[in-house]
Amino acid sequence: EVQLVESGGALVQPGGSLRLSCAVSGLMFSSYAIIWVRQAPGKGLEWVSGISGTGSDTDFADSVKGRFSISRDKSKTTVFLQMNSLRAEDTAVYYCAKAASGPMIIAPDSFDVWGQGTMVTVSS
Amino acid sequence: QSVLTQPPSVSGAPGQRVTISCTGSSSNIGAGYDVHWYRQIPGTAPKLLISHNNIRPSGVPDRFYGSKSDTSASLAITGLQAEDEADYFCQSYDTGLSGYVFGTGTKVTVL
Repeated sequence: EVQLVESGGALVQPGGSLRLSCAVSGLMFSSYAIIWVRQAPGKGLEWVSGISGTGSDTDFADSVKGRFSISRDKSKTTVFLQMNSLRAEDTAVYYCAKAASGPMIIAPDSFDVWGQGTMVTVSS
Repeated sequence: QSVLTQPPSVSGAPGQRVTISCTGSSSNIGAGYDVHWYRQIPGTAPKLLISHNNIRPSGVPDRFYGSKSDTSASLAITGLQAEDEADYFCQSYDTGLSGYVFGTGTKVTVL
């Protein structure tokens, strides 16, 4: 069974940093792109970032570009989202999800397996 | 801010049919990008419901039907059941934003 498990969410002050982890199991780790999606309290879904199966390609939403980075560690079968210069508007549940099609970040893709989410609160 | 617009809520009696619209533009749905649909029960993760406009993943009943035309897409739920109460989101890709986009979300209520 394919599973994605997020961790690392916490309460952090504005301007602070946090690293989220997405542990992946049950599949060939390098065979699928992984994305991060967030959901502010009571709001809709917002795509945040994506990384290809090999880690060679990454992409970011304009709202986080220059502040967030994404990476993956094959030995740990884990994808990381490094979040710097955090703002109140970054407060949300962060989900990681697996691309349905394969290792590339491609426009037509859907996301067929999701983690349970981890809460990030940015507040003083 | 979402670039795909959905009605905030739709409702229907058990057994009825409801439809959720997802309106985009020439830079996303109208550009030919596929539309996918997710269901989310509050407090839980989204779950893929329909992929590539009208494909149901294994286990999704045929009461759920997706379609796409021009700059919009629709999700129809027939034979509405109490368990269908949830939030539903459409998703596509936007060439102007160079990223994935989600709809504003629709809450389905079974009367």
